[in-house]
Parts: sequence; structure tokens; C-alpha cells
Amino acid sequence: GENVEQHPSTLSVQEGDSAVIKCTYSDSASNYFPWYKQELGKRPQLIIDIRSNVGEKKDQRIAVTLNKTAKHFSLHITETQPEDSAVYFCAASRANFGNEKLTFGTGTRLTIIP
Amino acid sequence: DTAVSQTPKYLVTQMGNDKSIKCEQNLGHDTMYWYKQDSKKFLKIMFSYNNKELIINETVPNRFSPKSPDKAHLNLHINSLELGDSAVYFCASSQGPGTGVNGYTFGSGTRLTVV
Repeated sequence: GENVEQHPSTLSVQEGDSAVIKCTYSDSASNYFPWYKQELGKRPQLIIDIRSNVGEKKDQRIAVTLNKTAKHFSLHITETQPEDSAVYFCAASRANFGNEKLTFGTGTRLTIIP
Repeated sequence: DTAVSQTPKYLVTQMGNDKSIKCEQNLGHDTMYWYKQDSKKFLKIMFSYNNKELIINETVPNRFSPKSPDKAHLNLHINSLELGDSAVYFCASSQGPGTGVNGYTFGSGTRLTVV
């Protein structure tokens, strides 16, 4: 089955700086890679996703890059703000294979230092 | 109007008891899931139903039994609760396999504490 590794497990950055979280996956058939943000005591919420036919996707201050050959993808947050503090999860799945499930990484606790 | 709602939000119970968690979605999605989030925040899939049919059943003790009376509801019943069952259980839904729309919408979670 799919195995998703995520690094780092904790990350502290100064407000205004950039944060980068990296994930690798094992199943070369995986083709859908979402990122979720989970604030303390809340549900995970989808913040951005990317499919395997795209190398990069941006949405305001967040961007995701995908390297299919190396089987890794990354989340980039620029101009970080205190409200970006949360646990971030990457995930991977074989979309459209009829038995899809998201396999999550182990999470990164991001702390923005004011 | 909550898209995926779970009840109860908190559940404290003694070892050996049987309990149920309910989940309902009003998004018209075909697929629903149960995930378990342990104390280290790791999210692991337990079950998935597509249009009331079980399609994913991970390695979960058979004390856990899901039930989907219709595609908008997915309940989780747990028999003979053990201390290790303490976790946050999240229900989620998605458009379903083959639709090209894969994002999950999560419920707010049920924090189960077994004492």
C-alpha cells in the first residue's frame, strides 16, 4: 500500500518568513496530492491540492510543487502570519481507481513566531 | 448549515462498554469514511463506504462495525471498548471514486475517552 512520509514534524518560523513542508510517497500510481490544515481542536480542512499532470499550483500565499519522478511534493507558505499556525498534513491517493483512500503523512506542527 | 456533522462531539465511557458515533452529510456525496486520529495526530483510515457499500476495510478489530443505512449516513459502532480506543474519530465524505473530484470534507470529530 501507499506510504507517505512528511518532514519536518515541527517547524517554527518568524512571522513574514516562508515555511516549507516536504512529503514523499511510495506508490507510483498515486496521482492526487492534497494538503490539509488542522487548527487546534478543529477538523482538518483542505487548503490546496495538486494532480499528477501538474508540476506546481498556487493560491495566494500558498503553493504546492510536485516532482513525480522523485515521488515528492512540497507545500510552500510565503509571508507567514500568526493564523498560519496549525498542524499541516499532506496526503496521497490513486484517484479514479475505484478504491480511493487518502493516505496521510504524519503531520507538521507549524508555529509562527510574532 | 453543517456539511458533515458528527454526534456526539465528546464521549467518555468505561472499558467494556458499547458505544456508537453517528455521521451525516448533506453534500450529496457518494462516499463516506471513518478515520482515527491518535494522540500523536496520525490520521489513519478505518472504513470507506460508497453508496451504502463497504469498499475499504482496513485492519481494524472486528469490535468496530460501520453501518450505512443510506449514502448520507455512516455510523460507527464499537463493542467492548478498550483503553487503546481512546482517540478522535473523524467522519469524512467525498464525491467518490471515478468522479475526478477527490477532496474530503471532514466532520468536526468525536473525542472518545475510555476510562
